[in-house]
Amino acid sequence: GAVVSQHPSRVICKSGTSVKIECRSLDFQATTMFWYRQFPKQSLMLMATSNEGSKATYEQGVEKDKFLINHASLTLSTLTVTSAHPEDSSFYICSARRTYGYTFGSGTRLTVV
Amino acid sequence: DQQVKQNSPSLSVQEGRISILNCDYTNSMFDYFLWYKKYPAEGPTFLISISSIKDKNEDGRFTVFLNKSAKHLSLHIVPSQPGDSAVYFCAASQRGGSNYKLTFGKGTLLTVNP
Repeated sequence: GAVVSQHPSRVICKSGTSVKIECRSLDFQATTMFWYRQFPKQSLMLMATSNEGSKATYEQGVEKDKFLINHASLTLSTLTVTSAHPEDSSFYICSARRTYGYTFGSGTRLTVV
Repeated sequence: DQQVKQNSPSLSVQEGRISILNCDYTNSMFDYFLWYKKYPAEGPTFLISISSIKDKNEDGRFTVFLNKSAKHLSLHIVPSQPGDSAVYFCAASQRGGSNYKLTFGKGTLLTVNP
């Protein structure tokens, strides 16, 4: 079946540094990928929609300069959290849209210290 | 403005009984609904979906019911098993619009007791 690989699964970084999270569709091509953020006991909040070969579409309130999204190929989208701060600590999840449905990555737990 | 609402943060059910998880939505443009199961520190796993042209979809122990007039859907799990214990998210989308993005509810923690 369709698999989306997301890594790293967890990362700890220092305040002020940047962190890149990768999301790969392993056995299908994903023209559209989505990036979500989940706070404890909260819903998955859509951050941005990533389209292959074009600029990402960010949801209201999400800083595009802080959360850089690149979707350079049909199988890879990356989210870079730039100049990370403790308030960016969260669980980030990617998702790829297929013809029938969506497949989610396993998520990345980011802790900024 | 929460367009997808799961008003019960938690539900506890005895093994073998039926689990009913509820979801309400406000956006009448939504025409495709999905249920996901999620364990802590993992991504959501797809369970079952339903298109707005149907009012019921069944897959094994899982059945989703859609009441468009009430803007309400529910997920029935029968019989419930301890392995079903997880957070269940309801999600909705408007196919053909906004890149098919999903809007999620806050989730319901289901605990199935042996």
